[in-house]
Amino acid sequence: DTGVSQDPRHKITKRGQNVTFRCDPISEHNRLYWYRQTLGQGPEFLTYFQNEAQLEKSRLLSDRFSAERPKGSFSTLEIQRTEQGDSAMYLCASTLYNDGYTFGSGTRLTVV
Amino acid sequence: AQSVTQLGSHVSVSEGALVLLRCNYSSSVPPYLFWYVQYPNQGLQLLLKYTTGATLVKGINGFEAEFKKSETSFHLTKPSAHMSDAAEYFCAVLPSGGGADGLTFGKGTHLIIQP
Repeated sequence: DTGVSQDPRHKITKRGQNVTFRCDPISEHNRLYWYRQTLGQGPEFLTYFQNEAQLEKSRLLSDRFSAERPKGSFSTLEIQRTEQGDSAMYLCASTLYNDGYTFGSGTRLTVV
Repeated sequence: AQSVTQLGSHVSVSEGALVLLRCNYSSSVPPYLFWYVQYPNQGLQLLLKYTTGATLVKGINGFEAEFKKSETSFHLTKPSAHMSDAAEYFCAVLPSGGGADGLTFGKGTHLIIQP
């Protein structure tokens, strides 16, 4: 068990560019979550997968955001046409039962 | 809808003193409750959790928390603060029947340890 891995750790991009982040959950975990955390705030739910199915998506999530989890393994989060307001830490978490979520170290996105 | 309130965005204690971080939740049914710690530029690490059973829960690094249903609280304590405890602490809730939105977090409390 190597924990939840996220790549890259840091990403600096110009406004208007597309970015993609990857999350590798703990292998036996069937549930995967993406959260966004801005400075001084707690993590905010973005989307949720059970196996390969995306079962929930935050109403606050712009159409510029899309996530996939092919084959129920790793997941990717893509942001199209990035805006400065997208600058945040993007966290991935996985769980098997709802009694404990394991978080990755996050991807810090800076849009300039 | 669930919500979590953490009283005090910043808490400062002296090294060796008692740490008390407050968390209150709003939920129609008793939820699962969690405390996470976050060090700068890191992800969240689980300190402890309450799901069922004993209401006093012990976690890592000497922390513990007590679920009080009548007060809808889940305050985090540590008898003696250490410099390495300086970090951001988040309280979180999850519906006991599971929830598609996953964990709902408070805004966090920044713990400062003074030498």
